[in-house]
Amino acid sequence: EVQLVQSGVEVKKPGDSLKISCEGSGYSFNSYFIVWVRQMPGKGLEWVGTIYPGDSETTHSPSFQGQVTISADKSISTAYLQWSSLKASDTAVYYCARLLRFEKYSVSDWALDYWGQGTLVAVSS
Amino acid sequence: DIQMTQSPSSLSASVGDRVTITCRASQTISNYLNWYQQRPGKAPKLLIYAASTLQTGVPSRFSGSGSGPDFTLTISSLQPEDFATYYCQQSYSSPITFGQGTRLEIK
Repeated sequence: EVQLVQSGVEVKKPGDSLKISCEGSGYSFNSYFIVWVRQMPGKGLEWVGTIYPGDSETTHSPSFQGQVTISADKSISTAYLQWSSLKASDTAVYYCARLLRFEKYSVSDWALDYWGQGTLVAVSS
Repeated sequence: DIQMTQSPSSLSASVGDRVTITCRASQTISNYLNWYQQRPGKAPKLLIYAASTLQTGVPSRFSGSGSGPDFTLTISSLQPEDFATYYCQQSYSSPITFGQGTRLEIK
């Protein structure tokens, strides 16, 4: 069974650093992109960035470029989303999701088929 | 960036009703359009991919159609568990973008 299990709730202060995780199981973790998605309180879904664990190739949304770092450790089937200095506006639930390609070489024919349970990050002074 | 616009933003309906949600892309995206359902406090769930293909395990009362810029998600006969928020998402090009969501509420 495919599962993505995320780390737990984080309560931080502005300026703190943070690294949250997403552990995959039940499939070949190295062979599927992982996508990070933000959901601010009461709001919709926003793409943060994407990583291919096999070679750690990473793409960030322009809105998040320079604000977060995405990484992966394929030896433990885990992807990470990291902040060096949190702001109150980073308060949100962050989801990881597996990107499933329906055509092997297509850059467009894909969807997010499995999602983690979400990690709530609360930043407040 | 491709903007995705859903309508309506919210919708009230009754069990057994047929409902349709629309999603419009700011440019043509062929059929590279996915639909997700998000229940309160839960992660999104993939319902339909490539505009009209039902994800495994999703009930057949859900259907999708459309291509180019205009798409629809239809629920043929609402069940209590269908009251949730629905998002469209384009996979045509980067950056990945989602619609703002349609909240489906019980009348």
